[in-house]
Amino acid sequence: QPVLTQSPSASASLGASVKLTCTLSSRHNTYAIAWHQQQPGKAPRYLLKIDSDGSHTKGDGIPDRFSGSSSGAERYLTISSLQSEDEAAYFCQTWGTGLHVVFGGGTKLIVL
Amino acid sequence: EVPLEESGGGLVQPGGSLRLSCAASRFSFNRSAMSWVRQAPGKGLEWVSGISATGDITYYTDSVRGRFTVSRDNSKNTLHLEMSSLRVDDTAVYYCARGQAGAAALFDLWGQGTLVTVSS
Repeated sequence: QPVLTQSPSASASLGASVKLTCTLSSRHNTYAIAWHQQQPGKAPRYLLKIDSDGSHTKGDGIPDRFSGSSSGAERYLTISSLQSEDEAAYFCQTWGTGLHVVFGGGTKLIVL
Repeated sequence: EVPLEESGGGLVQPGGSLRLSCAASRFSFNRSAMSWVRQAPGKGLEWVSGISATGDITYYTDSVRGRFTVSRDNSKNTLHLEMSSLRVDDTAVYYCARGQAGAAALFDLWGQGTLVTVSS
């Protein structure tokens, strides 16, 4: 099964941009992933899916400030024009055979 | 009416059983694979179990296989998770999640979660 690695934390200033990274295990570097946002005390929310070619598909109602990209085994989530409500944990997710799902450990984003 | 609403959580003793339910609305439940995902206090997300749209194929993470059973009733738009031989480390918020059309393991809709506490 694939393994996803995320940095535990990140920070950026209000109004700035931040790029979060999710790294796939090398054997699985062609896998698509999904990004989910979890605001404090709330359920996760699907943001977008990123394919290995960098193309991404966003969930319903996700602002244009959120975008995805890819390079090799890395999948990125870029958030521009940071707002206070973007302070949250961000989890990447992929899947192996069948419905076996794998999550990264999550990155807690602090908006300064 | 929220699209996915979990129920059935609560406090249970180690070794006990609990049945979680997830009521779905406002989408074609019978066309969607579904999963259960849990989150222990202060921890990340852990996929627990999944079931195909028709209910004929089920999947489990190793730590719950043989103890948990996932099922669905498409006539009632409801997903279930039967949990037995519960352990302290099963304590978590349990979320149901919908698999995206064409990508059953990509979760594009989440419930609000139900808390399961296993403690004596």
